[in-house]
Amino acid sequence: DAGVTQSPTHLIKTRGQQVTLRCSPKSGHDTVSWYQQALGQGPQFIFQYYEEEERQRGNFPDRFSGHQFPNYSSELNVNALLLGDSALYLCASSLFRTDNSPLHFGNGTRLTVT
Amino acid sequence: ELKVEQNPLFLSMQEGKNYTIYCNYSTTSDRLYWYRQDPGKSLESLFVLLSNGAVKQEGRLMASLDTKARLSTLHITAAVHDLSATYFCAVDISGTYKYIFGTGTRLKVLA
Repeated sequence: DAGVTQSPTHLIKTRGQQVTLRCSPKSGHDTVSWYQQALGQGPQFIFQYYEEEERQRGNFPDRFSGHQFPNYSSELNVNALLLGDSALYLCASSLFRTDNSPLHFGNGTRLTVT
Repeated sequence: ELKVEQNPLFLSMQEGKNYTIYCNYSTTSDRLYWYRQDPGKSLESLFVLLSNGAVKQEGRLMASLDTKARLSTLHITAAVHDLSATYFCAVDISGTYKYIFGTGTRLKVLA
């Protein structure tokens, strides 16, 4: 049973560029959430997708956008990259609004902005 | 805005000792989760606590939730080296299924 998979694992971009990160949820899950984790910090909620719509959003600027596809996979796009966007980006899947469905995390994409 | 605070932030303990990690949160919630993260790895779900007074145990770890005090605890019994990791609590914002993570507690168990 495949868990949450993310690609790529590492990425180096230049300030001002754009990046797309990809995520496939755990089999049977229908909801994908994205988190940003800076070094030594807890994950910060970016947004959540269900039925191809953004359902919840954290305190992130519009430069951060996403998409969910009919097969439940998801993309995170970040435009006009800033140095401060350097972080580990985690994708987590779950069952929509199901209390005993904890988040299942992928291994993350390490983004470095230079 | 919901704030989730953990203490201590760092914990170094001897094998065989007991200790408790605390997770305080600032607004109403009755859903709390504990996760473990090993260095360079992703997060692994440990416990799901869904009501006031909920208690879950797995091996040397026991988690509890007091929604009235807005407090969860993660108790470690007779620590072993394998428990060395960073532990996060995550709280649902008032039934939105939007989870806010705590600051994390980095645990190091010394042999």
